[in-house]
Amino acid sequence: EAQVTQNPRYLITVTGKKLTVTCSQNMNHEYMSWYRQDPGLGLRQIYYSMNVEVTDKGDVPEGYKVSRKEKRNFPLILESPSPNQTSLYFCASSLNPGYNYGYTFGSGTRLTVV
Amino acid sequence: GQNIDQPTEMTATEGAIVQINCTYQTSGFNGLFWYQQHAGEAPTFLSYNVLDGLEEKGRFSSFLSRSKGYSYLLLKELQMKDSASYLCAVNAGKSTFGDGTTLTVKP
Repeated sequence: EAQVTQNPRYLITVTGKKLTVTCSQNMNHEYMSWYRQDPGLGLRQIYYSMNVEVTDKGDVPEGYKVSRKEKRNFPLILESPSPNQTSLYFCASSLNPGYNYGYTFGSGTRLTVV
Repeated sequence: GQNIDQPTEMTATEGAIVQINCTYQTSGFNGLFWYQQHAGEAPTFLSYNVLDGLEEKGRFSSFLSRSKGYSYLLLKELQMKDSASYLCAVNAGKSTFGDGTTLTVKP
């Protein structure tokens, strides 16, 4: 089944403790992206990647890191999480988001930083 | 920068037709997308418009006017399962999403 898999689905952590949210897609998509979704603020792009070893900042990159060493994986790293990073995170992939493909989203990771 | 506006909430009756509007201001344009997101779930791709006009997909249609920076999503023969948030997104090199319109379908 074609899908984007992200883990974990739920995570509660403490301020300052490094964490990684994994994302993997099995559709051989070039494009991958991370979004966070907050009430009243919609989906905001954190980072995106157009291919292996190519990453770019989105609208809200501060406090996050990503890497794209393989086409299928695009992990999101929070080196020192803070409470304002409590949010619902979505990983997404696309053959080409500028054409009639759209993004396929993962199921989401609900992160709480206390 | 990019700015996308859509109404926050709408309510409609089962079996009716509803139109959800989206206006945008972007530097560059590669296409406009509509996504559906049920509460607690991931968004799913509904439609794509890059040329002016209407694209129809079953009960859902999407319209685009590039000169006006305007799109709408038309849902016909509404069903209870259509209660969801509908997100308008514009791709101009990268994809930017509106805040979404929460549609409630009542019996």
